[in-house]
Amino acid sequence: DTGVSQDPRHKITKRGQNVTFRCDPISEHNRLYWYRQTLGQGPEFLTYFQNEAQLEKSRLLSDRFSAERPKGSFSTLEIQRTEQGDSAMYLCASVGGTDTQYFGPGTRLTVL
Amino acid sequence: GNSVTQMEGPVTLSEEAFLTINCTYTATGYPSLFWYVQYPGEGLQLLLKATKADDKGSNKGFEATYRKETTSFHLEKGSVQVSDSAVYFCALTLSGYSTLTFGKGTMLLVSP
Repeated sequence: DTGVSQDPRHKITKRGQNVTFRCDPISEHNRLYWYRQTLGQGPEFLTYFQNEAQLEKSRLLSDRFSAERPKGSFSTLEIQRTEQGDSAMYLCASVGGTDTQYFGPGTRLTVL
Repeated sequence: GNSVTQMEGPVTLSEEAFLTINCTYTATGYPSLFWYVQYPGEGLQLLLKATKADDKGSNKGFEATYRKETTSFHLEKGSVQVSDSAVYFCALTLSGYSTLTFGKGTMLLVSP
């Protein structure tokens, strides 16, 4: 069990550019969640996968956001045409046989 | 809807002082309750959890008891250390397949 990993840890981009983040869950965890955390706030749910199926999406997930989990292993979160309001920490969590979510270290996005 | 309310921080204590961070919740159904801790620049780490009424979660000297009658899950520690300085998040989930709902977090600052 190597824990949840995320890449990159930090990303600085210019407004209007596209960015993609990757999450590798704990091996054999079939559920994977993405959250967004802004400064001084708790994480807010974005989307959730069970295996390769995306089962739930938050209203926060505008059409500029897309997430995938091919083959039910790692997941990617892409943001197109980034805006300054997208600046946040993007957190990934995975769940196995219990209801406990294990979080990765996060990707901090700064949009200039 | 579901919500979590935490006491506002920062909570400032001297080393070896007693800690209480209040958390109350509103939920449709019977949630599982969690405390997560976040150190500067890092993701969230599970601190403790309780899955049913009157359960007590404990870890690293921290404790919290699931109180259904007062819809509370207050975090306590008898003697804090400087290394406990972090942001603490209370959270709930209604089932193993639903998302976590977080409070806004409470910053704890412990001075020597």
